[in-house]
Amino acid sequence: DVKVTQSSRYLVKRTGEKVFLECVQDMDHENMFWYRQDPGLGLRLIYFSYDVKMKEKGDIPEGYSVSREKKERFSLILESASTNQTSMYLCASSPPGQVYGYTFGSGTRLTVV
Amino acid sequence: GNSVTQMEGPVTLSEEAFLTINCTYTATGYPSLFWYVQYPGEGLQLLLKATKADDKGSNKGFEATYRKETTSFHLEKGSVQVSDSAVYFCALYNAGNMLTFGGGTRLMVKP
Repeated sequence: DVKVTQSSRYLVKRTGEKVFLECVQDMDHENMFWYRQDPGLGLRLIYFSYDVKMKEKGDIPEGYSVSREKKERFSLILESASTNQTSMYLCASSPPGQVYGYTFGSGTRLTVV
Repeated sequence: GNSVTQMEGPVTLSEEAFLTINCTYTATGYPSLFWYVQYPGEGLQLLLKATKADDKGSNKGFEATYRKETTSFHLEKGSVQVSDSAVYFCALYNAGNMLTFGGGTRLMVKP
């Protein structure tokens, strides 16, 4: 079964810490995405990547960065975590082309205290 | 640009009731359309899809028909179960490798 794996289901970090959220897919997909999901706000795109070492800003990139050194891994970095980054973070991947949609990971619920 | 509008929830139904969740879209060209489901504490899972007009996607008793004339992709199920309680997202996929999501509709099914 194809998979997108996020390294942690639950994470608690302190304000000001540097936080790494890891996402690995085993489907050889070119495209990878990071979303955050908050009540009443739906899914908001943070960053995406179409290929190794490529990244594009989504709708809400402020306070985040990403890294894609290998095709299967897409990392989301919170440079200095703040309480307003407490959220559910979802990673997804897809092949090119519009008929496939995305495969999502199970999500990481991050709490910043 | 592309956009997806879903009915606001929550939708509360009794077990075995008929379900409709409305979804309409705005897009140029010929997008593919999707329904995703998110169970509590989980990520999103693909429920069904349709890639061209008049296609019907179906899975687990859920159905949706791609209606280009009304730009709609309404989700239906004839008899819901408690286990169907979840958040449902309608989405479209157009040029640019990007999915555009609706805001999600929470379904609560009571025994």
